[in-house]
Amino acid sequence: EPEVTQTPSHQVTQMGQEVILRCVPISNHLYFYWYRQILGQKVEFLVSFYNNEISEKSEIFDDQFSVERPDGSNFTLKIRSTKLEDSAMYFCASSAGQVQETQYFGPGTRLLVL
Amino acid sequence: GDSVTQMEGPVTLSEEAFLTINCTYTATGYPSLFWYVQYPGEGLQLLLKATKADDKGSNKGFEATYRKETTSFHLEKGSVQVSDSAVYFCALISNFGNEKLTFGTGTRLTIIP
Repeated sequence: EPEVTQTPSHQVTQMGQEVILRCVPISNHLYFYWYRQILGQKVEFLVSFYNNEISEKSEIFDDQFSVERPDGSNFTLKIRSTKLEDSAMYFCASSAGQVQETQYFGPGTRLLVL
Repeated sequence: GDSVTQMEGPVTLSEEAFLTINCTYTATGYPSLFWYVQYPGEGLQLLLKATKADDKGSNKGFEATYRKETTSFHLEKGSVQVSDSAVYFCALISNFGNEKLTFGTGTRLTIIP
């Protein structure tokens, strides 16, 4: 069964460093998403991406964040200058369509900013 | 804005007990409703969904019915197993071109043999 994959599974970084989280969505899906879950809190939407551009983003997704689909398979989330409060589990998801379609999630990347 | 309220956890049950995890929502229009499950050390997996009022989603013995009149989508299972131990998330997507999933806080379920 096709699945969303994410790398790395864990990342530790120093405050102020740049990190890139990678995702490979399900191959025939067109819509891509990033969510995060701070320990003990809700899963929160960050951004959605379609047709090589951001279609929606949350208040959390400020100028420190960016997304890219550099080739036909990868979807990346970059945090330019990490802060302590960026420590969280980051989930990538993809869906085949847009309106109320099921989103399929990857296993997540646990980011720890020291 | 959209919101999902879930039963506070953690919930501990004995094997073969009946499970209910309550979920209510606030949304404009007619959202689609989902239950996702997160097993230890894994990502979020879709458990079941319902897209319109009175629909019943079901999977692996779990069921949830979309109740528009009470804005609820409670998760039930008649006889739980140890392997059902996980965190369960209720979520919605609104139907106003809004693509984001709005999640509840999650309910940690532990089943003891």
